[in-house]
Amino acid sequence: SSELTQDPAVSVALGQTVRITCRGDNLKKYYATWYQQKPGQAPIVVIYGRDTRPSGIPDRISGSTSGTTASLTIIGTQAEDEAEYYCSSRDSSGNHLFAAGTKVTVL
Amino acid sequence: QLQLQESGPGLVKPSETLSLICAVSGASITTSYYWAWIRQPPGKGLEWIGSIYHSGSTYYSPSLKSRVTISVDTPKNQFSLKVYSVTAADSAVYYCARRSHFHNSSDYYDWFDPWGPGALVSVSS
Repeated sequence: SSELTQDPAVSVALGQTVRITCRGDNLKKYYATWYQQKPGQAPIVVIYGRDTRPSGIPDRISGSTSGTTASLTIIGTQAEDEAEYYCSSRDSSGNHLFAAGTKVTVL
Repeated sequence: QLQLQESGPGLVKPSETLSLICAVSGASITTSYYWAWIRQPPGKGLEWIGSIYHSGSTYYSPSLKSRVTISVDTPKNQFSLKVYSVTAADSAVYYCARRSHFHNSSDYYDWFDPWGPGALVSVSS
């Protein structure tokens, strides 16, 4: 089915590692893109393709895919990583899909 | 540096038409990219509305296709969104963005970057 699912929320202690997952059948064929959104701001891309970070995104953020699951991992989480994270992909008809998002809280 | 900016009325009456423009600066809209509209109801997630190429080729979300038109104005370097017969459920922040695409024998993916700052549209009488 053309759906992407994420856990609604996760918390992580400052300096620790957090992994966010996104599941969907389309991820077997199309890589996920990960967006970070902070309150009152537009989303920004943090990971696209196999594991590509746009300029300015810290290397503590990485991505991976296994089968129908894409993962975003933040190693050494910082306070500024607190945000909503959305995964997105597409289907064979060219339609774009967004998951409902995961709110990351840094303790 | 490529920048996008949404503009349009912030308040639309139910059953009327929502109209927004996305002005593109720093690059020509006729480059090899699709241009997209994405919306986000207050406190909720992101929803792709549709995308357009400078030739006029469009893709629309199946759930909105019957009420949406996206068009492009290449001389003005901008593209537009119209949503017809709006209800309160169409109240959202509307974003425009450029869609990039990569495809080879093994990898296939898209990403939206950059995004405009967003335009809040409320549907209310």
